[in-house]
Parts: sequence; C-alpha cells; structure tokens
Amino acid sequence: AQTVTQSQPEMSVQEAETVTLSCTYDTSESDYYLFWYKQPPSRQMILVIRQEAYKQQNATENRFSVNFQKAAKSFSLKISDSQLGDAAMYFCAYRGNFGNEKLTFGTGTRLTIIP
Amino acid sequence: EAGVTQFPSHSVIEKGQTVTLRCDPISGHDNLYWYRRVMGKEIKFLLHFVKESKQDESGMPNNRFLAERTGGTYSTLKVQPAELEDSGVYFCASSLFRDRGTPNTEAFFGQGTRLTVV
Repeated sequence: AQTVTQSQPEMSVQEAETVTLSCTYDTSESDYYLFWYKQPPSRQMILVIRQEAYKQQNATENRFSVNFQKAAKSFSLKISDSQLGDAAMYFCAYRGNFGNEKLTFGTGTRLTIIP
Repeated sequence: EAGVTQFPSHSVIEKGQTVTLRCDPISGHDNLYWYRRVMGKEIKFLLHFVKESKQDESGMPNNRFLAERTGGTYSTLKVQPAELEDSGVYFCASSLFRDRGTPNTEAFFGQGTRLTVV
C-alpha cells in the first residue's frame, strides 16, 4: 500500500519570503501522480500543483514549484513570494496510475503567513 | 459552472442517531469519491463510485456506513448509528472518467461536512 508522509505539522513564513513544505511517499509503482492540495480556512480544497512521475522536469505554477526526487521518493512544495492568501492547510497526495484512482493523503501542513 | 457541493456544512448529532450527508458532483463527472479526515490525521479514502456503481469501497470503516449514488448523479453517505469516533470532516470529490486513452483528470473537492457526534 502507498503511504504519504508530511513531517511538518505547522510552518510559518514571513510575507514575501520563500517556504518549502516537505513530503515523502512510499510506493512500489513506477508510474503515478503526485499532488499538492491547499485547503484555506473556508475549507474548499483546491489543487495547487501536480506532477507526473514519468516527467523528470519539476512542475511549476506561478509562485508554486515542486522538487520531485523520484529515487528518493520526495516531493516538496516551494512557495515563493509568500502572500497572506497562501495561509492554509497543505496536503500532499499520491494517486496511482490507470485503474487506481483514489488519492492517498498525508496528514497536512498548516502554513501561517506572518505579515 | 457549479462546483462540488456538500450538504450540510455542519452537523451535530448524538451518539446512536442517524445522519445522512449529501454530495452533488460537478455535472458530467462520472467519478465520485468520499473521503474523511479525523481531527489531526490524514484524509482517508472511503469509497469510489463510477456512475452508480461502487468501484472501490475498501476504505469504508464498517457496516454502519452506507453510500449510495442512485442514477449516477448525487450521492449520499449515511451513518447509522453514529459513534463518537465517526466525528470528522467528510469530503466529497468528483472527476471525469479516465480511460487508458485520456490524460490525467483532476479531482475537484467540495467544502466538506463537519460531523460532530456527541
């Protein structure tokens, strides 16, 4: 079974600074997808960024980027130029390839932005 | 376009009572998932519908939980009788059906139902 581990229950960062959230996972599959989801205080969870395991290039979405290390099974999220609206719970998630559609989540990291 | 909607947003019930949670997926999304987050822990998969069929219900904790998706549209998750450990936030998500020829499809989540059993 796949597992996802987020070792940082809480993180804080000064506004405009950069912060990195850690995520490691365990799987025996070779093809899979990794995601970072954000859940602001309003509770709607939204997708921040995704990474396909077969792609070597790290995914980037504006101020959000990942450091995907497949051999190390590591998938960290970097948020640059942090903004107050980035304050949220961040969940790392794993999804297997075709036929295995469910998401496996980590325990989440609560990110606080300090003005 | 409406997103995934869940009702109610909060529910407080006494142990032993019955509660029914509802999820309306995005129109056209054949995949519907239920997840649960118990306080401070990870979000755990409960089950997966493809249209009205249960594709995977391996995460359902016990037979006090019953999920249905009649007609392949909205879904309900009933807990009967509720126990204290059932408290948590129940999330619903939906996505387009993905076959071998289609690329990755994103799962869209509802706001969740916070269930408190006292």
